[in-house]
Amino acid sequence: DVKVTQSSRYLVKRTGEKVFLECVQDMDHENMFWYRQDPGLGLRLIYFSYDVKMKEKGDIPEGYSVSREKKERFSLILESASTNQTSMYLCASSFSVTGELFFGEGSRLTVL
Amino acid sequence: AQSVTQPDIHITVSEGASLELRCNYSYGATPYLFWYVQSPGQGLQLLLKYFSGDTLVQGIKGFEAEFKRSQSSFNLRKPSVHWSDAAEYFCAVVPYSGGYNKLIFGAGTRLAVHP
Repeated sequence: DVKVTQSSRYLVKRTGEKVFLECVQDMDHENMFWYRQDPGLGLRLIYFSYDVKMKEKGDIPEGYSVSREKKERFSLILESASTNQTSMYLCASSFSVTGELFFGEGSRLTVL
Repeated sequence: AQSVTQPDIHITVSEGASLELRCNYSYGATPYLFWYVQSPGQGLQLLLKYFSGDTLVQGIKGFEAEFKRSQSSFNLRKPSVHWSDAAEYFCAVVPYSGGYNKLIFGAGTRLAVHP
């Protein structure tokens, strides 16, 4: 079975802390994505990676960075967490840019 | 600007009733169209997709969707809803020849099912 695993389901952090969200896929997919999900706004793309060490900004990259050192792992980094980054974060991967997206279960981050 | 609209934020239906969830998009050319479902506490799962060809698309869990170019719509339907269908449903669109870095999601429709 296809699997995208997000390391933390729930996190609570304080303003100014550095936050790492990890995502691992076991499907040898080239493409990996980080989305942010907020009520009434659907999903918005933060960053996209199409290969190891390659990344592209999505629609809302401000305040975030990413790292892809290995094909199976894509990390989202909040250098200095702020309360407006409280949200659900979803990682996804796909074999091709128009193939099926496979999602992880999400990481709900609360920044106090 | 390109957009995807799901006009209904919440819908409640009785178990066994039929269901239609609406989705409209604003693009010049026919885009790639998707419906995803998110069960409580879960990630999103692909229900069905339309790239070209037959405008009536069958998906998993008994869902289907119809692409209507003239109305710029891609509505999701199910003839008889089960309690397990309670979830949030997202329509998503990629402009023709675009990739997932261009994928745009609607705001979602939350479905509640009464016994």
